[in-house]
Amino acid sequence: DGGITQSPKYLFRKEGQNVTLSCEQNLNHDAMYWYRQDPGQGLRLIYYSQIVNDFQKGDIAEGYSVSREKKESFPLTVTSAQKNPTAFYLCASSIGQGDGYTFGSGTRLTVV
Amino acid sequence: GQQVMQIPQYQHVQEGEDFTTYCNSSTTLSNIQWYKQRPGGHPVFLIQLVKSGEVKKQKRLTFQFGEAKKNSSLHITATQTTDVGTYFCAGPLSGGFKTIFGAGTRLFVKA
Repeated sequence: DGGITQSPKYLFRKEGQNVTLSCEQNLNHDAMYWYRQDPGQGLRLIYYSQIVNDFQKGDIAEGYSVSREKKESFPLTVTSAQKNPTAFYLCASSIGQGDGYTFGSGTRLTVV
Repeated sequence: GQQVMQIPQYQHVQEGEDFTTYCNSSTTLSNIQWYKQRPGGHPVFLIQLVKSGEVKKQKRLTFQFGEAKKNSSLHITATQTTDVGTYFCAGPLSGGFKTIFGAGTRLFVKA
């Protein structure tokens, strides 16, 4: 079955360390996205990518970085510059502009 | 900037009661999407409405898209405990790949 795989499901890191969250899709979708969700909150867009080797900042890109070297993969790095990194991170993909999203199961990052 | 507002923020119902959540955009939308997120889970795409005045049903769920394509609603008839979760509406920004999500309505169902 096609879908989006995020790993790991839970991640613990010490403050000051960079951490990379994995996101892989086999849906052959062009567009991929990273969202952050805080407890009881909605979804805030971190970065998105329309095609390989191209990505755009979302609303809260500071302290994060991404790459899109392959169509299937869109990893997110949470850097030490991110002031409040503890959150639920969701990766999503869509066929194209304005289409519905398929979400991964998410990664819960806790920084201690 | 473009905003998508959703009300209410929370709704507590007794099992068997009906439930409605409303979504309003500050601008005209090309389409409206609805998602459900179970507690501890991830958002799951439910449906997309495209046409002005469109109404779609999925079993006990009825989705409407307003005539002006600026508002939408999700109505659940006779709620069940399996309906618990947060329901999000979302609309794409004009001319781009970004989609704006509402803050969601969290539904609690008491058996």
